[in-house]
Amino acid sequence: DSGVTQTPKHLITATGQRVTLRCSPRSGDLSVYWYQQSLDQGLQFLIQYYNGEERAKGNILERFSAQQFPDLHSELNLSSLELGDSALYFCASSDGTGGHYGYTFGSGTRLTVV
Amino acid sequence: KNEVEQSPQNLTAQEGEFITINCSYSVGISALHWLQQHPGGGIVSLFMLSSGKKKHGRLIATINIQEKHSSLHITASHPRDSAVYICAVRRGAQKLVFGQGTRLTINP
Repeated sequence: DSGVTQTPKHLITATGQRVTLRCSPRSGDLSVYWYQQSLDQGLQFLIQYYNGEERAKGNILERFSAQQFPDLHSELNLSSLELGDSALYFCASSDGTGGHYGYTFGSGTRLTVV
Repeated sequence: KNEVEQSPQNLTAQEGEFITINCSYSVGISALHWLQQHPGGGIVSLFMLSSGKKKHGRLIATINIQEKHSSLHITASHPRDSAVYICAVRRGAQKLVFGQGTRLTINP
């Protein structure tokens, strides 16, 4: 157990639907990062939150949104799902000081859009 | 051209061999990370480097900032080392940019 908890582990849903992925960071970590790993694009940074505030944005689609709650858990919302959104979605956490002590990754959520 | 390039893309070796995976990057970075992804999909952070060399067990990571190059070495490789190894560079405060990964297979 890495200390970062992601739920659910697997998700199968239909096109056009909306899903929510959840991440609980390692105890003491203030930063949460979301990444998407698809077969054709590899790992890509989506968005980062630090202590409840959005800190950096990457290649995140407008149909996707995220937030970090006061208890520091984060949710990634994916809406109007398309087949191409099928991917592994990883959450990682760090202490927030520039990832000085590295990142801890969750085990990922495998999303399949059918 | 990708900002982070890894070589080789695929590597198959026999148990016991010395393994080297290379990573070159084209941008300024604040740190470089080596990650390991097992067939089950989970990602483990192996090293974070900003200079020099780090060692953990049979794994050694080096970085040359001037040449924008890093290597990951595995000594006395074992089938359990079979995984995808990913190089990632940190730009600015937090954002990671990833290489495409090197798929390593160690045969008994």
